[in-house]
Amino acid sequence: DTAVSQTPKYLVTQMGNDKSIKCEQNLGHDTMYWYKQDSKKFLKIMFSYNNKELIINETVPNRFSPKSPDKAHLNLHINSLELGDSAVYFCASSQVGQGISYEQYFGPGTRLTVT
Amino acid sequence: TQLLEQSPQFLSIQEGENLTVYCNSSSVFSSLQWYRQEPGEGPVLLVTVVTGGEVKKLKRLTFQFGDARKDSSLHITAAQTGDTGLYLCAGEGGNKLVFGAGTILRVKS
Repeated sequence: DTAVSQTPKYLVTQMGNDKSIKCEQNLGHDTMYWYKQDSKKFLKIMFSYNNKELIINETVPNRFSPKSPDKAHLNLHINSLELGDSAVYFCASSQVGQGISYEQYFGPGTRLTVT
Repeated sequence: TQLLEQSPQFLSIQEGENLTVYCNSSSVFSSLQWYRQEPGEGPVLLVTVVTGGEVKKLKRLTFQFGDARKDSSLHITAAQTGDTGLYLCAGEGGNKLVFGAGTILRVKS
């Protein structure tokens, strides 16, 4: 059983294009996240959603627009792709609550290459 | 801004050796987590430490949270080739996780 799944695994596209990455979790968690991991392996949070509501938006360009149709799904749409957007994007989920640590369950990642 | 400094950035050792990875900050965290990431996969949670001074063991891995909850260490005893991977520490603060830059561990046979 896949806990957090992402599609596609690999995405190669040209500058200026628009693309989407989909994420689904079957853990029953109420919070989902998007992270970006750069070439130096640094992992940085981009967005978090709790029960479909945007909680965190970490100064990400407006070209990035997350959408959460329900608490099990969090998609990421990117407009006008730039070379600097090339990275691995990870979706994650966690159960947030009183006394519960933000333990993250990560998807397998989507490697985005912009040419 | 909360920052976590992780050291060393890269470690290459022989099978059977011991090693320690450090994670330091000037900020206090509610909890600190350690993850391991293999190539082509997402990070996987190893452990969460919550209480200052807490020590947790996971087989040959020993995790410690500093008394002031600002730093943590991961010690591996008798490293094996299967321990190879990227180790990430992450501090919980302000309803999110802040990740260290990671330590790439390579264990040679």
